[in-house]
Amino acid sequence: GIQVEQSPPDLILQEGANSTLRCNFSDSVNNLQWFHQNPWGQLINLFYIPSGTKQNGRLSATTVATERYSLLYISSSQTTDSGVYFCAVGGGADGLTFGKGTHLIIQP
Amino acid sequence: KAGVTQTPRYLIKTRGQQVTLSCSPISGHRSVSWYQQTPGQGLQFLFEYFSETQRNKGNFPGRFSGRQFSNSRSEMNVSTLELGDSALYLCASSLMGAEKLFFGSGTQLSVL
Repeated sequence: GIQVEQSPPDLILQEGANSTLRCNFSDSVNNLQWFHQNPWGQLINLFYIPSGTKQNGRLSATTVATERYSLLYISSSQTTDSGVYFCAVGGGADGLTFGKGTHLIIQP
Repeated sequence: KAGVTQTPRYLIKTRGQQVTLSCSPISGHRSVSWYQQTPGQGLQFLFEYFSETQRNKGNFPGRFSGRQFSNSRSEMNVSTLELGDSALYLCASSLMGAEKLFFGSGTQLSVL
């Protein structure tokens, strides 16, 4: 099956810093999504981005499908950005394949 | 519009028992999928339902089963519980299956 690798696995930043999270995948995909899991376990969908670039406030994402990677940018980090960020590919009847996530801690 | 609703939020069971978890998708969404999250294995796909039909199943034993009703609500069942079944079980819904996925808050199952 398809492999999804996320980096870095852990990231500790000060409030106000910017960060870039990376997701590499082993095969072509037509469905890529980024999620944020908060400390209470809730998975929030940040982006559905099989290709191209999207922005939502302080967050933006870029997927280069031909090179099999996606990037999630977080600018001006806030403590509420802490949590685990997951990249997932595939979907539909085959379900999403998730990476192991990037654990982000934003310190005040 | 209400989000994906999962019940119960927490469950404690003993080995050998069975358990049923419930999921109500976002209104209008016809695809419901289930995932298991554990610290060791991460998030893994269990199965996906669309219009009351299971379209695919992940690599899980037959003790894990599910169904979807005509109103798109879904249930999953785990029989003969094992300690290793302790996990956060997440339900997600989407319009047809291949679009943006919306997750519920999950059911935390502890098997003692």
